[in-house]
Amino acid sequence: DIQMTQSPSSLSASVGDRVTITCRASQGISNYLAWFQQKPGKAPKSLIYAASSLQSGVPSKFSGSGSGTDFTLTISGLQPEDFATYYCQQSNSYPYTFGQGTKLEIK
Amino acid sequence: QVQLQESGPGLVKPSETLSLTCTVSGGSISSYYWSWIRQPAGKGLEWIGRIYTSGSTIYNPSLKSRVTMSVDTSKNQFSLKLSSVTAADTAVYYCARGSHDSSGYYRVDYWGQGTLVTVSS
Repeated sequence: DIQMTQSPSSLSASVGDRVTITCRASQGISNYLAWFQQKPGKAPKSLIYAASSLQSGVPSKFSGSGSGTDFTLTISGLQPEDFATYYCQQSNSYPYTFGQGTKLEIK
Repeated sequence: QVQLQESGPGLVKPSETLSLTCTVSGGSISSYYWSWIRQPAGKGLEWIGRIYTSGSTIYNPSLKSRVTMSVDTSKNQFSLKLSSVTAADTAVYYCARGSHDSSGYYRVDYWGQGTLVTVSS
C-alpha cells in the first residue's frame, strides 16, 4: 500500500493568515492526489482532485500543487469556517489511502 | 442536487455481519464509482472499497476477505456487507460518489452524511 504522510499533524493560525499543509507519498503517485476538509461530526467535503483541480463550488482561496511524491494544500485568507481537519488521499493505485489528517485550529 | 444517504443497523453483535445501504437521490446511479469509507471515533479515514455500476468491485486487501459490495440500479442503491465483525469495526461509515473528469482524473464529489455502526454484544 502507498503510505501518505501529512505534516504538520496540527497547526494553529489566525483569521486572515495563509497556511500550507504538506502531504508526502511513500512512492510516486503522479498527480493522483485529492484533498478533503472535515468538520467535527460532519462528512468530509471534497476540495481538490488531480493535485490542483478545484472541485466545483470550492472557493479559490484553496489551492493545491505538487506531483510525484510531494504535495501541498494552501489556504489563503483564513476565515472561521476554514478551521477543520484536512486529509489528503491518493488515487494512483488501490487501495486508495489517506493521510492521517492535519487539524487546523484557531490561534 | 445529488444526495447520498446511508442506512442500516446502528448496533451489530460481534461475529455477525454488518449491512449498510446507500441510497442515491437527485441523480442516476449509473456510470459512477460508489465507495465506502469508514472512520473510527477520533481517528482518520479508511477506504473500504468501491463498486462500479457494472458491478465491478475493488476492495481494500486489509478487509477483502470480509467485504462484499453490490449495486441495485433499479433502486438507485448500493450496499456494503462486512462479515465477522469485531469491536475494531466500530466506526462511522460513509458512502461516496466518484467519477473521472474529461482528462481521466478520478474525483469524489458527493458524500453521504455517515452512519455510526457500533459492534457490541
